[in-house]
Parts: sequence; structure tokens; C-alpha cells
Amino acid sequence: QVHLVESGGGVVQPGGSLRLSCVGTGFRFSTYGMHWLRQAPGKGLEWVAVIWYDATNKHYGDSVKGRFTISRDNSNNIVYLQMNSLGAEDTAVYYCARDEGEGRTVYYFDSWGQGTLVTVSS
Amino acid sequence: QSALTQPASVSASPGQSITISCTGTSSDVGGYNYVSWYQRHPGKAPKLIIYDVTNRPSGVSNRFSGSKSGNTASLTISGLQAEDEAVYYCTSYAINSRVFFGGGTTLTVL
Repeated sequence: QVHLVESGGGVVQPGGSLRLSCVGTGFRFSTYGMHWLRQAPGKGLEWVAVIWYDATNKHYGDSVKGRFTISRDNSNNIVYLQMNSLGAEDTAVYYCARDEGEGRTVYYFDSWGQGTLVTVSS
Repeated sequence: QSALTQPASVSASPGQSITISCTGTSSDVGGYNYVSWYQRHPGKAPKLIIYDVTNRPSGVSNRFSGSKSGNTASLTISGLQAEDEAVYYCTSYAINSRVFFGGGTTLTVL
């Protein structure tokens, strides 16, 4: 059974940095693309970033491009999201999600973690 | 403001059908057949119910169907049931390998 667990959320000051982690179990992690998504309080879902299964490609949403970096460690089944220059608009629950395609990236999400809350506040 | 436009809410009685629209541009919905729909119940993870505009994942009821015309995609739910009450999100692959979401539509089954 696919299981995704995020960690690393917390309270950070504006302009600060935070690194989120997501451990994936129950599937062959190294053959799936992974995404980060977020949901701000009272708002809808927003796609943040994707990393292909082999890390050859990474893509970002417009609101985080240049500030966030996605990476992965296939040896330990972890995907990361390094977040820099954080602002109040980045306050959200952050989810990792598995791409539905195995060995290819199809930009659909078939399994989600429970989320980790990031609060940017002074 | 979300990149894709959905109605904020829709409601209908059990047994009826509803359609939720999702409007984008030629750089996303209109340019690719990579539209998906997610159902989200409170406190639960979103569930993929439609992908590639019209396809249903295994196990999803055939009461859910998808379509697209131009820059607007649609999700139709027929034979509404109480368990269908949820928030529905559309997404689309967009130019430069991005994903856009709609703002979500709250479905109320009266």
C-alpha cells in the first residue's frame, strides 16, 4: 500500500527558509515522479513542483519558481522541497503526491500524503 | 486567483445530474488533452476520478464522466448520490510543463 509521509513544516519568519521532506513507502519509489502541492487557508489546491522519477527534469509553479527547489534521494525514498525567501503567501499545508505514471510523468496525482503545515509569520 | 475557472458551488437533488465547468486558455485546457478531475471529501486526500479529459481510473463509478470543448472542460455526475457531496477540482497540464488547478467547486446534494 502506498504511503507518503511529509515532515519539516513549522513556523518561519518572512524571508526565512525551510526544507520539507516526504518519505514514500509501499511502492518502487525510484520509478515514479513526485510532486509537491499546497493549500493555503481558505483557498484551493495549488501545484508547486514536480521531479521526474530519475530527477532528470524538475518544473515549478510560477509563484515559487526561483525560490523553491525540489530534489529526491532514491536510495532512501525521499523527496525534498527546499523553500527560500518565504513570504506570508507561502503559508499553507504542503502535500507530496505520487505521479500516476510509472517510468514516465503524466502530471496526475494518485496518492497523497497527509500534509505538513508551513506558517510564515513574524 | 486560480488559473482555471470553476463555479464556486453547485447543488442538486439525489438522482439528478450536474455538470461542473472548468475554463482555461489555449495554453492549458484548450491546448492539451491532459485535464483531470479530483474529488475531495473533508479531511481526506483528493481522489483522482477523471484523467486525460475522459478516462476513469479503475474503480471509479461510471456515473462520473468528462468532456472538453475548446478551452472549457466539464465534469458530469449522473444519478447523484449523497456520497458525491464533496469539493471537485479540475487540473490541466499547461505550457512549460506546469499544472494549473481550478479553484474548486463545492457540490451539495440536497
